[in-house]
Amino acid sequence: QKEVEQNSGPLSVPEGAIASLNCTYSDRVSQSFFWYRQYSGKSPELIMSIYSNGDKEDGRFTAQLNKASQYVSLLIRDSQPSDSATYLCAAMNSGYSTLTFGKGTMLLVSP
Amino acid sequence: EAQVTQNPRYLITVTGKKLTVTCSQNMNHEYMSWYRQDPGLGLRQIYYSMNVEVTDKGDVPEGYKVSRKEKRNFPLILESPSPNQTSLYFCASSPDLGSSYEQYFGPGTRLTVT
Repeated sequence: QKEVEQNSGPLSVPEGAIASLNCTYSDRVSQSFFWYRQYSGKSPELIMSIYSNGDKEDGRFTAQLNKASQYVSLLIRDSQPSDSATYLCAAMNSGYSTLTFGKGTMLLVSP
Repeated sequence: EAQVTQNPRYLITVTGKKLTVTCSQNMNHEYMSWYRQDPGLGLRQIYYSMNVEVTDKGDVPEGYKVSRKEKRNFPLILESPSPNQTSLYFCASSPDLGSSYEQYFGPGTRLTVT
């Protein structure tokens, strides 16, 4: 069974701080990874995708991938209370047919 | 507006009474999928479809059926619902397979089976 593991949290950070969210995956041949944000009672929305080792930046968000360590992370700079949500890490299988999601990490940003 | 729609949004039913949750997308996406989300278990895939008439099981297909007769629609059928199928259900679609795999999620259907 392919797995994606995340700490459930909550991860609490003050406004303006950097939030660091982490994820590990078990399927060594996974090539594509995604971070989704889900507000309470809402559907998930994609915020970042990453396919190559290293960093990928998009505004206040930076995704990091280390395939050797099977590790994906998401950094949120200048965290805002509106960033308070559950962040879901997902890995695509090698056949590009299914996404496996982690259980999510709840982030709380306090004003 | 590009979107994935689900109906109904909320449903309370009784054990054994067949039900269908509809899903429709207006983006001409090839790929569609159903997930259920439960506290402590996260999002788990039920079924997916890569194109019309092509469906396959996800991680938790037991007790569910799907069909894909048209590209835009992907209904989820519970022929004999049981209380353990009480959950939040999401339909999602994606333009195609491959590395660019942005899934667009519907608003969700909260199902309670008593």
